[in-house]
Amino acid sequence: SQKIEQNSEALNIQEGKTATLTCNYTNYSPAYLQWYRQDPGRGPVFLLLIRENEKEKRKERLKVTFDTTLKQSLFHITASQPADSATYLCALDRGGNNRKLIWGLGTSLAVNP
Amino acid sequence: DAGVIQSPRHEVTEMGQEVTLRCKPISGHDYLFWYRQTMMRGLELLIYFNNNVPIDDSGMPEDRFSAKMPNASFSTLKIQPSEPRDSAVYFCASSFPDSQETQYFGPGTRLLVL
Repeated sequence: SQKIEQNSEALNIQEGKTATLTCNYTNYSPAYLQWYRQDPGRGPVFLLLIRENEKEKRKERLKVTFDTTLKQSLFHITASQPADSATYLCALDRGGNNRKLIWGLGTSLAVNP
Repeated sequence: DAGVIQSPRHEVTEMGQEVTLRCKPISGHDYLFWYRQTMMRGLELLIYFNNNVPIDDSGMPEDRFSAKMPNASFSTLKIQPSEPRDSAVYFCASSFPDSQETQYFGPGTRLLVL
């Protein structure tokens, strides 16, 4: 069956360092992969989308890579800040007419001042 | 734009009671999604609509769950009768018709069934 795995353990890093979160998938060929941020008591908020033919996407301090051979996406936050503390979710999109996203359980990130 | 609006934000009910969750999508969005989120299972898609028509309801747990979208600006998710295992956060999300478009989530309804 289709499976998505994200770092199950919370990630704790020091302010100013780079946070790297992992999203691995099996039995799936996504057309797109999306990353969302979720704060406690709130709905997920879209951050970045990367296509299967793109290796890397950047937005300000955020960078996403997509390796379809390894079936893996990495999400980086450079110069991390305490305000970046949240849960980060990856979601796979098969593209086309089917709008159903397959979600990972998320990774909790804590940036310590 | 006010974003996706959900009501109520919190609901506490007793087992066996009917629960109705409401959602107003962002104006102009043609797709509407209902999700359930729990710690164990994460985000699960229950059903989604396109232009008010249900497209995929394969995630609806059982006949106790039903969803409607009578017009482009309103949708409901109903649970009847409710059970303790239905306790979760229910999110509504909407998006534009472009297949690459992302989903915009509401604040969620936290449901507790006693």
